[in-house]
Amino acid sequence: ILNVEQSPQSLHVQEGDSTNFTCSFPSSNFYALHWYRWETAKSPEALFVMTLNGDEKKKGRISATLNTKEGYSYLYIKGSQPEDSATYLCAFMGDSNYQLIWGAGTKLIIKP
Amino acid sequence: DAGITQSPRHKVTETGTPVTLRCHQTENHRYMYWYRQDPGHGLRLIHYSYGVKDTDKGEVSDGYSVSRSKTEDFLLTLESATSSQTSVYFCAISESQGTGNEKLFFGSGTQLSVL
Repeated sequence: ILNVEQSPQSLHVQEGDSTNFTCSFPSSNFYALHWYRWETAKSPEALFVMTLNGDEKKKGRISATLNTKEGYSYLYIKGSQPEDSATYLCAFMGDSNYQLIWGAGTKLIIKP
Repeated sequence: DAGITQSPRHKVTETGTPVTLRCHQTENHRYMYWYRQDPGHGLRLIHYSYGVKDTDKGEVSDGYSVSRSKTEDFLLTLESATSSQTSVYFCAISESQGTGNEKLFFGSGTQLSVL
């Protein structure tokens, strides 16, 4: 059974501080790793799709790294702002059926 | 926002009744998905479609059926709703699959309560 784990489950961060959280996934049959941001009362929105070991992607103050050999990805947020409050989802795609297996998410709350 | 519309947005129904949820897209994307989202769980795939009349089961397909008679519409049917099917249902679309760039676009979700 393929398992995708995200930690921590929830995180409170002071406005202006930087933070990061983890997505762990199977290290075999890797094809892609997705990150999505899901704000309350909205739909999940794609942040990054990562496919190469060692890949690093950036979008504004948010960046992500990927280690396919050990099966983890980190999402970093620099200088957290209230609008960063959301649940961040990661999803693993294997090369057997190209379906996404989702983690349960990290809920980030930014304290003003 | 990607052109994805889910209907209804909210529904309350009774155990044993049939329920159909509709997903409509204006993006002409080939792949469409139905997920359910429950507290403490990641999104779980119910069924997906890779073209008109081409569908396949996901990891939690029991009790659900789907149909795709047109590119733009993907219907999810609960033949006889049960309380365990109370959930938030999301439709998603993607342009491709297996190309390495197939990010998903999501609808707004349907909150279904089965009493």
